[in-house]
Amino acid sequence: GENVEQHPSTLSVQEGDSAVIKCTYSDSASNYFPWYKQELGKRPQLIIDIRSNVGEKKDQRIAVTLNKTAKHFSLHITETQPEDSAVYFCAASKGSQGNLIFGKGTKLSVKP
Amino acid sequence: DTGVSQNPRHKITKRGQNVTFRCDPISEHNRLYWYRQTLGQGPEFLTYFQNEAQLEKSRLLSDRFSAERPKGSFSTLEIQRTEQGDSAMYLCASSLDKGFDGYTFGSGTRLTVV
Repeated sequence: GENVEQHPSTLSVQEGDSAVIKCTYSDSASNYFPWYKQELGKRPQLIIDIRSNVGEKKDQRIAVTLNKTAKHFSLHITETQPEDSAVYFCAASKGSQGNLIFGKGTKLSVKP
Repeated sequence: DTGVSQNPRHKITKRGQNVTFRCDPISEHNRLYWYRQTLGQGPEFLTYFQNEAQLEKSRLLSDRFSAERPKGSFSTLEIQRTEQGDSAMYLCASSLDKGFDGYTFGSGTRLTVV
């Protein structure tokens, strides 16, 4: 079955710097790749997603890139702010069933 | 409709007891999913429903776990004979039929087995 690996597990940056989180997936049939932000004690919230027919997607300070050949995708956050501090999860799915396979998460800390 | 609702928010139970959690999806969502999240891990898929039909249950962790969605609206997840290893956050999500439109998680039920 699908396996998603996520790196790094923790990331600390200074406010205003950029942060990059990387994920790889194993199933070449996967075609949907969302990123979730989860604050302590709260539900995962979708921040951006990308489908396999697109190589890059951007939404203000957040961007996601997808390399289907290499089977990896990345989250880029620019101009980080303290409120970006949270755990970020990548996920992958083949879409037919709708269940998501998640990575183990990256704890991002943005220091003022 | 304020989103996916889960009850209770917290549940403490003694080992060996049965517990049941409820999930109310967004009203127009036909698909409903259950996940388990342990500390420091990403959510782990358990099962999902398309309306009242349970279309995938092979990922349920053991035969102590079962889920229902009798009328295609709310769903329940039951754990029988709870064990300490069942302590986790149980998340529900719902979505529209096609693709991942509107895929939304609830706030979860945190289970502690003592």
